[in-house]
Amino acid sequence: EVRLLESGGGLVQPGGSLRLSCAASGFTFNAYAMSWARQAPGKGLEWVSSVTDSGSNTYYADSVKGRFTISRDNSKNALYLQMNSLRAEDTAIYYCAKDWVAHWGQGTLVTVSS
Amino acid sequence: DVVMTQSPLSLPVTLGQPASISCRSSQSLVHSDGSTYLNWFQQRPGQSPRRLIYQVSNRDSGVPDRFSGSGSGTDFTLKISRVEAEDVAVYYCMQGTHWPLTFGGGTKVEVK
Repeated sequence: EVRLLESGGGLVQPGGSLRLSCAASGFTFNAYAMSWARQAPGKGLEWVSSVTDSGSNTYYADSVKGRFTISRDNSKNALYLQMNSLRAEDTAIYYCAKDWVAHWGQGTLVTVSS
Repeated sequence: DVVMTQSPLSLPVTLGQPASISCRSSQSLVHSDGSTYLNWFQQRPGQSPRRLIYQVSNRDSGVPDRFSGSGSGTDFTLKISRVEAEDVAVYYCMQGTHWPLTFGGGTKVEVK
């Protein structure tokens, strides 16, 4: 069974940083591209970033480019999202997804507020 | 960026009746590899999104066959042949052909 468990969310002040993690199990992690997507409270879905299976290629939404960094550790079956210079508009549930966007975790809430 | 436009925003349905959701893209979703990367997702209240359909018309594992996807180019449709109570959700289309990946705004399916 595919399992994706996000962690690292919380309350952070504007301008601050957070690192999200996604622990993957139930599949061959290093064979799949992975992504982060988010959903602001009461709003729709927004793709944030993706990384290829080897980690050699990364992609970002313009809204986070230069502030967020996606990475993965295939030896630990883990996906990460380093978020810097956080803004109020980054407040959302952040989801980790397998195989680009085929299967999603339960999400972790990030709140950016003073 | 490719803009994905869904209609209607809200879809009141009678249980047992069919439902149809439209999704249009601002440019063709045919990839240079010949595939069309158009997905449909279901998000039930309080749950994370679940992919139902990939590459326009392929159902994901475990998805009931009352769900079907069709379309080509810039015009796509998700159909539910007979709506059941568990189908109450917000449905999103999403294109995976062009970077950045983009979602439609969502269609809320609710029971009349």
